[in-house]
Amino acid sequence: DTAVSQTPKYLVTQMGNDKSIKCEQNLGHDTMYWYKQDSKKFLKIMFSYNNKELIINETVPNRFSPKSPDKAHLNLHINSLELGDSAVYFCASSLHTLRPQETQYFGPGTRLLVL
Amino acid sequence: AQSVSQHNHHVILSEAASLELGCNYSYGGTVNLFWYVQYPGQHLQLLLKYFSGDPLVKGIKGFEAEFIKSKFSFNLRKPSVQWSDTAEYFCAVIRAAGNKLTFGGGTRVLVKP
Repeated sequence: DTAVSQTPKYLVTQMGNDKSIKCEQNLGHDTMYWYKQDSKKFLKIMFSYNNKELIINETVPNRFSPKSPDKAHLNLHINSLELGDSAVYFCASSLHTLRPQETQYFGPGTRLLVL
Repeated sequence: AQSVSQHNHHVILSEAASLELGCNYSYGGTVNLFWYVQYPGQHLQLLLKYFSGDPLVKGIKGFEAEFIKSKFSFNLRKPSVQWSDTAEYFCAVIRAAGNKLTFGGGTRVLVKP
């Protein structure tokens, strides 16, 4: 069984479009995250939700809007896509808000290409 | 701001060679440390982690890492690599009182058969 799943796995779209990436975890975790991995492989946190409440919001353009309908889901909606949004987006989850002894579990990633 | 540095971007070695990947962090307080691995086409998986106690941590697949507080380092080692160790390796750090994991830039390891 997949612990953290993301859809779609690949997403190719035109500049200016609006797209969403979905994430679901079946681990019963309270906390979920979105990371962006750029072309140089740097992984940077974008958002974190704990039990549907936003707890981390890094400096991310407001074109990016996370939505958590319940604690098992954290979706990422991106408006007016730009070339620089091309990256791999990883969803992750942890049992509680990340603290010692906790491990983050990652999804398989969504490879977004903006043309 | 806290940062994590992985000095080697690419490492190429032959099977049975020993591997050591460097990781340094900049935060001076108490930290918790992780190594993650990303095999080709797969998601990030935890290799090992350090929170307290013995600074030499053993993880899965024969990997180990040593936390040297005085050097702000958490280097990953494996005495004898296999072709299946070809992957990207990421070091990550979180402050003991923090809630945000900071990743290094990753090291791509290619093991030649």
